[in-house]
Amino acid sequence: KQEVTQIPAALSVPEGENLVLNCSFTDSAIYNLQWFRQDPGKGLTSLLLIQSSQREQTSGRLNASLDKSSGRSTLYIAASQPGDSATYLCAPNFGNEKLTFGTGTRLTIIP
Amino acid sequence: GAGVSQTPSNKVTEKGKYVELRCDPISGHTALYWYRQSLGQGPEFLIYFQGTGAADDSGLPNDRFFAVRPEGSVSTLKIQRTERGDSAVYLCASSGTGLSGANVLTFGAGSRLTVL
Repeated sequence: KQEVTQIPAALSVPEGENLVLNCSFTDSAIYNLQWFRQDPGKGLTSLLLIQSSQREQTSGRLNASLDKSSGRSTLYIAASQPGDSATYLCAPNFGNEKLTFGTGTRLTIIP
Repeated sequence: GAGVSQTPSNKVTEKGKYVELRCDPISGHTALYWYRQSLGQGPEFLIYFQGTGAADDSGLPNDRFFAVRPEGSVSTLKIQRTERGDSAVYLCASSGTGLSGANVLTFGAGSRLTVL
C-alpha cells in the first residue's frame, strides 16, 4: 500500500516569510502529483499538477518540485499572506485513477 | 455547471438508516470520483466512474456502500444501514477525461454525514 507523509503537520509563520511544505511517498513509480489546498469546511482546490517527467511547476507565488527517485515533493510559498492560511494536501497518482492523499499540513500565516 | 455541486451539504441520520448523497459534476466531465474524509485525515478513495460505469470500486469499504451514475452525469452514493463509523465528509470530484489524461480534479464542497 502506498503511503504519503506530510511534514510538518502544522506550521505557523509570520506574514511575508517564505516557507516550504514537504511531502514524501513510499512508491517512486508515480505518474503525477497534485497539491491541493483545503479551507475549513470546504472542498479541495487544486493548486498545481506536476507530471513525473517534470522537476518543477510554478503558479504565481507557488512552486512545486518533484524528486521521484527520493520519493519527495515540496511546495514552496513565497511572500506568505494571511489568505494562504489553509490545510495543504499532496496527492500522488500511481498510474491509476486514484489519488493517495497525505494527512496535510495546516498552515497559519500570522498577520 | 460552473463547479461540482453536492447535496445535501449536511446530513444527520440515525444508526441503521439509509442515506443518499448526490453529486452533480462539471458539465461534460466523463470522470467522476467519490472520496471520504474523516476528521484530521486526508481524503480516501471510494469509487471512480468513467461515463456510466464504475471503473474502479475498490475503495468502497463494504457492501453497505453503493454508487450509481446512470446517465453519465449525476452520481448518487448510497449507504445502507448506516453506522456511527460512517460519519465523515463525502467528497465528489470530476475530471475532463480522468487522471491518466493529466487532468486536474475539481472537488465539490462535500456532504458532511453524521450518524447518531
